[in-house]
Parts: sequence; structure tokens; C-alpha cells
Amino acid sequence: EVQMVQSGAGVKKPGESLKISCKGSGYSFINYWIGWVRQMPGKGLEWMGIIYPADSDARYSPSFQGQVTLSADKSINTAYLQLRASDTATYYCARLGASADVWGQGTQVTVSS
Amino acid sequence: EIVMTQSPATLSVSPGEGATLSCRASETVHNKLAWYQQKPGQAPRLLIYGSSTRATGIPARFSGSGSGTEFTLTISSLQSEDFAVYYCQQYENWYTFGQGSRLEIK
Repeated sequence: EVQMVQSGAGVKKPGESLKISCKGSGYSFINYWIGWVRQMPGKGLEWMGIIYPADSDARYSPSFQGQVTLSADKSINTAYLQLRASDTATYYCARLGASADVWGQGTQVTVSS
Repeated sequence: EIVMTQSPATLSVSPGEGATLSCRASETVHNKLAWYQQKPGQAPRLLIYGSSTRATGIPARFSGSGSGTEFTLTISSLQSEDFAVYYCQQYENWYTFGQGSRLEIK
């Protein structure tokens, strides 16, 4: 079974960074792009960026360029989203097969001082 | 950026009836169009890709159609578990989502 499992909920203070993980299993991790999506409370889905784990080629939506960093460690089948100036939201990773065909369960991040 | 516009924002339908949701792209996306379903507290789930191909495990009551700039998701004979928010997404030129359509019980 193909699965994307994300790290648990977190709290960050304004100005701090936070790293979220997304571990893929049940498929060849290096052969699929992984996308990241933000959903603010009560709002819609926003595409943040994508990364190719085989070579860590990362691309960003203009709205998120400079605000987040995508990375991957293919040795442990895990992709990462590092948040800098971020908002309280749920962040999802998804495997990009036939579009975003398998999603992680989401990681809720709360920004609070 | 390709802008995706969904309509209606909210649709009220009785169980057993059918529902049609629309999605319009600001420029052609050919058939690079996907539909997702999201229920409260859950991750989105892929329903349709390539405008009309059902994803694995998706019931036949879900169907997608369209190409270019106009797309439709049709759900026949609504079941209780179908009441949710639906998003379209283009992946022809980067990735953008529509704002979502809420399907609620009448």
C-alpha cells in the first residue's frame, strides 16, 4: 500500500523555523515528485511547491518562494518542508503520480507567541 | 498564473439526487484537470484525473468531463458520504486549485 506519513502537529513562535517531514512507503520514492499544499483554517488549498527526491530539484510557487524550503533525504524516503515566516495552517504532502494521487494525513502548525 | 473558478460555491442536494459541479480555467489546460474531495478534518482525496479518469477505488457514480477551459464533475445518486468540499486543480502549467464547492445536504 502506498502511504505518505507526516510528522505530528507543532507549535512555533513567530520568527522561528519549523521542519515538517513526509515519509513515503510502498513505492519507489525517488521516481515521483512530491508536492506540498497549505490550507489555512476554514480556507481552500494552496499549492506551495514540489521536489524530486532523486536529485532534490525543488520548485516553488511565487507566493511561497523565499518563505519555505523543500528538501529530501532519499536514503530514508523522506521529504521535508521547512517553514520560516509561516501562518497557522495545516500542511499536506502528496505524491505526484496521476496528479496528487496519494496524500499525507496533514500536519497542523500553530504559530503563537 | 492559471486561475481556476468553481461554481457554485455551495450546492444543496437531497440524498439520492444527482449533482453537477463546474470548474473554469482562465486559459486552456487541455485535459490536465483533477478533482479532489475533502471532508472535515481529513486530507483531500483524488477522485478524477486527466479530466475524466477515475482514480483507484473511486465509485462509478463519480464522473468527470470537459477539456480546454470548461470542466464538470457529476455525482449521480448522492450518498451520505459524498457531502463534502470539492476542489478542481489544473496541472498543465504549474498547479493551481479552484476555491472549492461545498456540497451540502438539503
